Amino acid sequence: LAKTTQPISMDSYEGQEVNITCSHNNIATNDYITWYQQFPSQGPRFIIQGYKTKVTNEVASLFIPADRKSSTLSLPRVSLSDTAVYYCLVGVSGSARQLTFGSGTQLTVLP
Amino acid sequence: DTGVSQDPRHKITKRGQNVTFRCDPISEHNRLYWYRQTLGQGPEFLTYFQNEAQLEKSRLLSDRFSAERPKGSFSTLEIQRTEQGDSAMYLCASSLEPIGMAGHYEQYFGPGTRLTVT
Repeated sequence: LAKTTQPISMDSYEGQEVNITCSHNNIATNDYITWYQQFPSQGPRFIIQGYKTKVTNEVASLFIPADRKSSTLSLPRVSLSDTAVYYCLVGVSGSARQLTFGSGTQLTVLP
Repeated sequence: DTGVSQDPRHKITKRGQNVTFRCDPISEHNRLYWYRQTLGQGPEFLTYFQNEAQLEKSRLLSDRFSAERPKGSFSTLEIQRTEQGDSAMYLCASSLEPIGMAGHYEQYFGPGTRLTVT
């Protein structure tokens, strides 16, 4: 079971780039890394997913080093509306019982 | 179709009562998941369906919990003899079965049902 470790909270200012790192030392060979965003009183929203190197979409980038023991979600030029909890999820290639979100990172964007 | 919907959004019940929640997934999604989330924690997997078949359940899932997806479309989650510890947000998510690979990817979540057991 790939356990993840993320910072509990982070603060940033509007317009800055934010990088949130997730450690997953026991990631399995077939595991993908997925990030979700959650606002209060809403369900999580899929942001990005990757297996290795770099993945980019219209909202974020995901950097995964060669050893895959960590990953970094990068949010360019954050705004106040990016204030949310961000979850790193691994183990998605295996049993659904491995779908473990952890406690996530509370990102607060300040004006 | 605007996404995953859940009903009700809020439920207050007395300890010992039974409650049932409904989830309507995105129409073309054949997978449906149920999660539970308590304050300050991430979602915890409960069970998932592929079409009408319930394929996996959390080992922590009490036998007071039962879920169905009779026609492979909407699903219900029932909690019998509710306890105060059942108070939580119950989330439903749906996804497509990935092609050519095993696993669980890119799930679309509903807004959740917040249960309060008094």
